[in-house]
Amino acid sequence: DQQVKQNSPSLSVQEGRISILNCDYTNSMFDYFLWYKKYPAEGPTFLISISSIKDKNEDGRFTVFLNKSAKHLSLHIVPSQPGDSAVYFCAASDQGGSEKLVFGKGMKLTVNP
Amino acid sequence: DTGVSQNPRHKITKRGQNVTFRCDPISEHNRLYWYRQTLGQGPEFLTYFQNEAQLEKSRLLSDRFSAERPKGSFSTLEIQRTEQGDSAMYLCASSLWTGGTEAFFGQGTRLTVV
Repeated sequence: DQQVKQNSPSLSVQEGRISILNCDYTNSMFDYFLWYKKYPAEGPTFLISISSIKDKNEDGRFTVFLNKSAKHLSLHIVPSQPGDSAVYFCAASDQGGSEKLVFGKGMKLTVNP
Repeated sequence: DTGVSQNPRHKITKRGQNVTFRCDPISEHNRLYWYRQTLGQGPEFLTYFQNEAQLEKSRLLSDRFSAERPKGSFSTLEIQRTEQGDSAMYLCASSLWTGGTEAFFGQGTRLTVV
């Protein structure tokens, strides 16, 4: 069973607009969530994280929202830039940190100039 | 510090051979993780260390796999008697154990078993 789901395999947006990437999870014990970005032939790059005690965390153009009752989180990128084009992974842990991260399958974001 | 370093970047081996990968974490990080990623999937947890102690191993880590972190610094992942199903990207990550801290990944080692 897949505990972290990224149901949309891809998203295409125009430069300057908002990108919204969604992630659903099934394990109610997850208490720490992270988003990673991955370019081809490179390892994942950490973007932003959120603890389950919060419902929002912001870092520059990136904001993550957590809805615990719906077991849903989303990553907002505003404004989107062509350099944001990559595969984005949602990950979760039930140990309060980065231990034993469970990843979604990823979503490919394309930002068109 | 240049981040998490993994060597080699690519490895092609014949089925049945043994391979070993190395990971050098960010120097002050005391936790080190190994993940495996196959095409179209997200990374899957294999094992992790706190300093030199291996704290947990996934059931994905068969007895052909062994990982070490002898002095609490670099780590090695060895696969014995490789099989074609072992072909994947092997990723190493490290973090500080202070709770709620993110893991930083290396560029990975791509293994192809022919």
